[in-house]
Amino acid sequence: DAGVIQSPRHEVTEMGQEVTLRCKPISGHNSLFWYRQTMMRGLELLIYFNNNVPIDDSGMPEDRFSAKMPNASFSTLKIQPSEPRDSAVYFCASTGPPGRITEAFFGQGTRLTVV
Amino acid sequence: GDSVTQMEGPVTLSEEAFLTINCTYTATGYPSLFWYVQYPGEGLQLLLKATKADDKGSNKGFEATYRKETTSFHLEKGSVQVSDSAVYFCALNHAGNMLTFGGGTRLMVKP
Repeated sequence: DAGVIQSPRHEVTEMGQEVTLRCKPISGHNSLFWYRQTMMRGLELLIYFNNNVPIDDSGMPEDRFSAKMPNASFSTLKIQPSEPRDSAVYFCASTGPPGRITEAFFGQGTRLTVV
Repeated sequence: GDSVTQMEGPVTLSEEAFLTINCTYTATGYPSLFWYVQYPGEGLQLLLKATKADDKGSNKGFEATYRKETTSFHLEKGSVQVSDSAVYFCALNHAGNMLTFGGGTRLMVKP
């Protein structure tokens, strides 16, 4: 397996634009996590899916952020409208298979810069 | 709820020095414990893990022992190298595959 795949690796956008980050988890994994990492706040959990269903979205900063997982092999994190304070590295991670406690596998991250 | 507390960094050491990064946790039951490492510009990757009390995880010269009596999982390495410079995260995984991370500790090793 190629591991968790995120795209794009880098994104530069202007304030007010919509940004969509994409993630493909490892095949067979049933849990997917979106994290945000900044120097100031460290690693923050934004949202967590189990079997494609959002379980905990308490970390989503505000209504400008939304996440979907339409099927077991794809998830998106959307920011609309984007703001400079959203600049960060966004990581996707997956765990599984179901019924086993395993380590999380992380993607390479998307570095988002909002100017 | 579950929580993980790590010593704050940065930790600065000279090459070949002994490393300890403290990690303690709060959780019900018997979580699995992990150490992740993040090299500059990369995602987090698993360094080692332990799934039950008294287990010792080890990898690349790093070790950590699951101590239930002290709820700790301290990371150690006998002789660090410049290439070990990175950010280290302690984490636990409980029921439902929900990971809880500590705040991370930056290690800088000088030649």
